[in-house]
Amino acid sequence: DQQVKQNSPSLSVQEGRISILNCDYTNSMFDYFLWYKKYPAEGPTFLISISSIKDKNEDGRFTVFLNKSAKHLSLHIVPSQPGDSAVYFCAASVQGGSEKLVFGKGTKLTVNP
Amino acid sequence: NAGVTQTPKFQVLKTGQSMTLQCAQDMNHEYMSWYRQDPGMGLRLIHYSVGAGITDQGEVPNGYNVSRSTTEDFPLRLLSAAPSQTSVYFCASRVTGEKGYTFGSGTRLTVV
Repeated sequence: DQQVKQNSPSLSVQEGRISILNCDYTNSMFDYFLWYKKYPAEGPTFLISISSIKDKNEDGRFTVFLNKSAKHLSLHIVPSQPGDSAVYFCAASVQGGSEKLVFGKGTKLTVNP
Repeated sequence: NAGVTQTPKFQVLKTGQSMTLQCAQDMNHEYMSWYRQDPGMGLRLIHYSVGAGITDQGEVPNGYNVSRSTTEDFPLRLLSAAPSQTSVYFCASRVTGEKGYTFGSGTRLTVV
């Protein structure tokens, strides 16, 4: 049973527009969430994280929103750039055992020039 | 500062063979982990370590052994390779206070 779900395998947006990547989770014990970006033939790169005590965290063009009641988080990229084209993974953990990250299957984002 | 270094980058094994995937980091990170990524799947945790001499199992530990004799190195041993272990393996590390792991570039393993 998947505890972290990314239901959209792919997403295509125009350069300069907003990209919204979604993630749902089922385990109510999760209280720390991360987004990673992955280019082909490379390891994932940490992007941004959020603790369950917050509902929003921003870092430059990247903003993560957390809706605990809906067990849903989203990553917004504004404005999107062609270099953002990659696979984005959502991950979650229980704070006390934060080394045990549970990843979603990923969403492939394509930003068209 | 080389980050997280994984060797080899590619490996083909025959069923039943054993091998060790190497992982080294030069950042003095306490925490290290091994993940595998299969096609269409997210990364799944195999084993992790919170410091030298301390290891624990992740989500999919069967068929793999680890040890952490030094802070820098965290090798992953396949005891008797099976085709189901065909995957891309990622090693990662982080230090206390960092929010996310630093990943290596991966080892692509094929078991025939």
